[in-house]
Amino acid sequence: KAGVTQTPRYLIKTRGQQVTLSCSPISGHRSVSWYQQTPGQGLQFLFEYFSETQRNKGNFPGRFSGRQFSNSRSEMNVSTLELGDSALYLCASSSFDSNTEAFFGQGTRLTVV
Amino acid sequence: AQSVTQLGSHVSVSEGALVLLRCNYSSSVPPYLFWYVQYPNQGLQLLLKYTSAATLVKGINGFEAEFKKSETSFHLTKPSAHMSDAAEYFCAVSGGDDKIIFGKGTRLHILP
Repeated sequence: KAGVTQTPRYLIKTRGQQVTLSCSPISGHRSVSWYQQTPGQGLQFLFEYFSETQRNKGNFPGRFSGRQFSNSRSEMNVSTLELGDSALYLCASSSFDSNTEAFFGQGTRLTVV
Repeated sequence: AQSVTQLGSHVSVSEGALVLLRCNYSSSVPPYLFWYVQYPNQGLQLLLKYTSAATLVKGINGFEAEFKKSETSFHLTKPSAHMSDAAEYFCAVSGGDDKIIFGKGTRLHILP
């Protein structure tokens, strides 16, 4: 069974640009969560989607958005990039709800210059 | 709401010594508890999870954790550290609102 796939693995963007990250969950998993990981703040929850609906949202500005498609694949978008958005963005999928274990992708390393 | 506190952002142990990583949680409902490990430039990998069955949970790579409700703790242990255990470890809690909340992580260093 294929794991969680995140693309791209690495990305360099300029301040002010926007970026879209993609996550393909494990087949059959309907819940997809996104996290931002930085050395200073650790793992911070961005949002969670279940069956194409955003079910939970963390405390991030509106520049961070996401969506989920009917095949459970998810994208997150960050607009008007800031230097502080440089981070490892992790996607996790779970089979039914977030109370079951989450399986993580390898992440997308975003660098904003 | 749930929260997790990991005591010690860095822990160093000698190879062969006991590993103890501390985690305390707060939850208004019976929690699910997890320990994850992250190696450099990788995602998180589940080590073990507690889901209200046995209070002593055995995971992969020789790790185990004990759920102690009276102490609201879920500490991670391994009897004998190996160099390959050097990584960052995250405790996480979930319950009631479909979110998994992670602690800030503990980086484990293994001394030769």
